[in-house]
Amino acid sequence: GENVEQHPSTLSVQEGDSAVIKCTYSDSASNYFPWYKQELGKRPQLIIDIRSNVGEKKDQRIAVTLNKTAKHFSLHITETQPEDSAVYFCAAPLGFNKFYFGSGTKLNVKP
Amino acid sequence: GAGVSQSPSNKVTEKGKDVELRCDPISGHTALYWYRQSLGQGLEFLIYFQGNSAPDKSGLPSDRFSAERTGGSVSTLTIQRTQQEDSAVYLCASSLVVLTGELFFGEGSRLTVL
Repeated sequence: GENVEQHPSTLSVQEGDSAVIKCTYSDSASNYFPWYKQELGKRPQLIIDIRSNVGEKKDQRIAVTLNKTAKHFSLHITETQPEDSAVYFCAAPLGFNKFYFGSGTKLNVKP
Repeated sequence: GAGVSQSPSNKVTEKGKDVELRCDPISGHTALYWYRQSLGQGLEFLIYFQGNSAPDKSGLPSDRFSAERTGGSVSTLTIQRTQQEDSAVYLCASSLVVLTGELFFGEGSRLTVL
């Protein structure tokens, strides 16, 4: 069925290590793949996005990679810091009238 | 306003009552989305409005849920005969670009059904 699957659901890393979160999507026509960060008690906010015409995009310590053939995309955070601790959501448009989010990954960066 | 505005921020109601949640999107944003987030859970897609087009209501969890968007701007999510399982934060978001642009979320309306 139509969905966006995300894993892992929780991820604990030591400060300074890298974190990788992966998502798969079902609609081969999807062409936009954002990542949102939601801190405790706050609204989700966009941190990075990628469109289907590129395979990778970087913004300082975060990067997103896209494999359209396999229908998956990943968020990479390098040199993690305690303030990176939050829930991260991937998302993708499915069809012409839906925009689905993954189930979320709770990232804990241990100082 | 500068951002997406939602009201009320908190609503406590008794089981069986109707509630209305309001979303005022960023001016000029043609796309408007409603999501439901239960405690510690992900974002469940409810409905999406694009301009004045009729929305796809298939994401609404039951026929007790309905949503309208008047004049392509303000939207209201109505839940009739509320149940305890309706308790959640209802998030509204708007975007300038349809389905391929950044979503700007409101602070959400926290609904508690006793």
